[in-house]
Amino acid sequence: DIQMTQSPSTLSASVGDRVTITCRASQTISHWLAWYQQKPGKAPKLLIYKASTLESGVPSRFSGSGSGTEFTLTISSLQPDDFATYYCQQYNNYLCTFGQGTKLEIK
Amino acid sequence: EVQLVESGGGLVQPGGSLRLSCAASGFTFSSYDMHWVRQATGKGLEWVSVIGTTGDSYYPGSVKGRFTISRENAKNSLYLQMNSLRAGDTAVYYCARDGRAAGSFDLWGRGTLVTVSS
Repeated sequence: DIQMTQSPSTLSASVGDRVTITCRASQTISHWLAWYQQKPGKAPKLLIYKASTLESGVPSRFSGSGSGTEFTLTISSLQPDDFATYYCQQYNNYLCTFGQGTKLEIK
Repeated sequence: EVQLVESGGGLVQPGGSLRLSCAASGFTFSSYDMHWVRQATGKGLEWVSVIGTTGDSYYPGSVKGRFTISRENAKNSLYLQMNSLRAGDTAVYYCARDGRAAGSFDLWGRGTLVTVSS
């Protein structure tokens, strides 16, 4: 099975900061990676798919990059609504795996 | 309205069985692969299963042989039959639509809680 490792596990930042979350796959997954945002008590929300394609309605301050085994999610200027937990997720040969999550906290 | 609504969760004893349902509306259900994803309280997301439009299904090792995903397109419904349940299966179970690109989930339900305990 493909393992996904996210870093950091927790990130403290301030409104207006630029932040980056990294996700590494244990083997190559081409561009089959998605990013989700989840707030407490809510279902996850798709932000990015195919590593870098912004989901409709998601603010342009969110961006994704990478291919193969290393991927990043960048938020260019943090807004109050962005403090949440973020997950990466890979898809390979019909099987999926999530990263362990990154909790983005207010500094 | 485009939505997914899960039901069927509850309290079950270890070794027991439970069947979850997911009702889809507002879109052509039969055209999409569908997934189940679970989340234990305070923990991360864990993918549980997928069923394709032609009925092919896949599972991770943690549930393979115990869980069975199925769909009934005429009823716009997705199911998850869970057998030989363990305490570690306790979680909120979400159904999700594979909509934008293979393996990315663009529509989620609110989830249904399954508690495995004696």
